[in-house]
Amino acid sequence: DAMVIQNPRYQVTQFGKPVTLSCSQTLNHNVMYWYQQKSSQAPKLLFHYYDKDFNNEADTPDNFQSRRPNTSFCFLDIRSPGLGDAAMYLCATSRGVGTQYFGPGTRLTVL
Amino acid sequence: SQQGEEDPQALSIQEGENATMNCSYKTSINNLQWYRQNSGRGLVHLILIRSNEREKHSGRLRVTLDTSKKSSSLLITASRAADTASYFCATDDGGSQGNLIFGKGTKLSVKP
Repeated sequence: DAMVIQNPRYQVTQFGKPVTLSCSQTLNHNVMYWYQQKSSQAPKLLFHYYDKDFNNEADTPDNFQSRRPNTSFCFLDIRSPGLGDAAMYLCATSRGVGTQYFGPGTRLTVL
Repeated sequence: SQQGEEDPQALSIQEGENATMNCSYKTSINNLQWYRQNSGRGLVHLILIRSNEREKHSGRLRVTLDTSKKSSSLLITASRAADTASYFCATDDGGSQGNLIFGKGTKLSVKP
């Protein structure tokens, strides 16, 4: 089945230790998004790739970066995680305007 | 920035009852979507309603859209325990790249 896969499902890191979260898709969608969702809050868009074009949200901290080496994969890099970065990170894909397809998420814990 | 605001924030009902959740938004939209999120999981798309549509059905789901009031409602009929989840409305940001702005969500609890 076509799907959006996120690895790992749970990630524990130490304060300040870089971490990379992975997302892959078999839907062949040209747009991939990364959201941050803190407990009992709405998902908040961090950035997205439209094909190879990177689009950063204005209020996304510089600590967060992303890479998309090909259509199928997209990575979220957190250079120096702080306690406030503990959250669920959601990857989603779409063909553009319309339905987004979400992965199961990666829950990040920062010790 | 938040666009949609769901109401109520939490809703607890018995199995078999209907559940109604409301969403208000601030700016013009191309479409409005509803998503469900089970605890600790990703979001699942439920239904999309375009700005020129007033009502849409999908199984036990009924969505209405009133663009003059900038509001939408999601009705789940004959609820089941498996419907227990958080429900989010999301509106597009008016751009061409499909960015969504999510509301704060309604947490629905359906008791067997």
